[in-house]
Amino acid sequence: AQTVTQSQPEMSVQEAETVTLSCTYDTSESDYYLFWYKQPPSRQMILVIRQEAYKQQNATENRFSVNFQKAAKSFSLKISDSQLGDAAMYFCAYRSGETSGSRLTFGEGTQLTVNP
Amino acid sequence: DAGVIQSPRHEVTEMGQEVTLRCKPISGHDYLFWYRQTMMRGLELLIYFNNNVPIDDSGMPEDRFSAKMPNASFSTLKIQPSEPRDSAVYFCASSLRQGFKPNTEAFFGQGTRLTVV
Repeated sequence: AQTVTQSQPEMSVQEAETVTLSCTYDTSESDYYLFWYKQPPSRQMILVIRQEAYKQQNATENRFSVNFQKAAKSFSLKISDSQLGDAAMYFCAYRSGETSGSRLTFGEGTQLTVNP
Repeated sequence: DAGVIQSPRHEVTEMGQEVTLRCKPISGHDYLFWYRQTMMRGLELLIYFNNNVPIDDSGMPEDRFSAKMPNASFSTLKIQPSEPRDSAVYFCASSLRQGFKPNTEAFFGQGTRLTVV
């Protein structure tokens, strides 16, 4: 079974600074997808960014980018120019690309605080 | 599209009562997931459906929990009888398969906060 680990329960960053959230995963599959979801106090789960394992290029969405290290099974999220609205719980998630493996497995989450 | 719709948003019930949580997935999506979120255990997958058929219910805690998907636009998660340890936020999510591979991201509803007293 696949596992996802987020080793940072809490992180903080100053507004306008850059912060990196860590995520590692364990899998024997070669075809899979990785995601970062954001959960603000409203508790809505919002997709931030996704990465296909077959793509070598790191995904980028505006101020959000990932550092995908397939060999190391590492998938970190970098938030640049942090804003107060970025404060939330961030979850890393894994989904198999295999036809039969559609479950979405989440890490424990990292609570991000943005200080003004 | 209105997104994944869950009801109710909040539910408070007494121990021993039956609780039914409802979910309407995004139209056209063929995967539906039920997750439970607690402080202690994080986000746990309870069960998921593909084309209305339960595929993996290994996360369902015990026989008190049951889930159904009678059609492509509706699913329920029922707890009978409810217990205080069932208190959590329950999320429903849906996604769409593309071609031979399952689609990537799941879209989540706003969750139901269940409190069992």
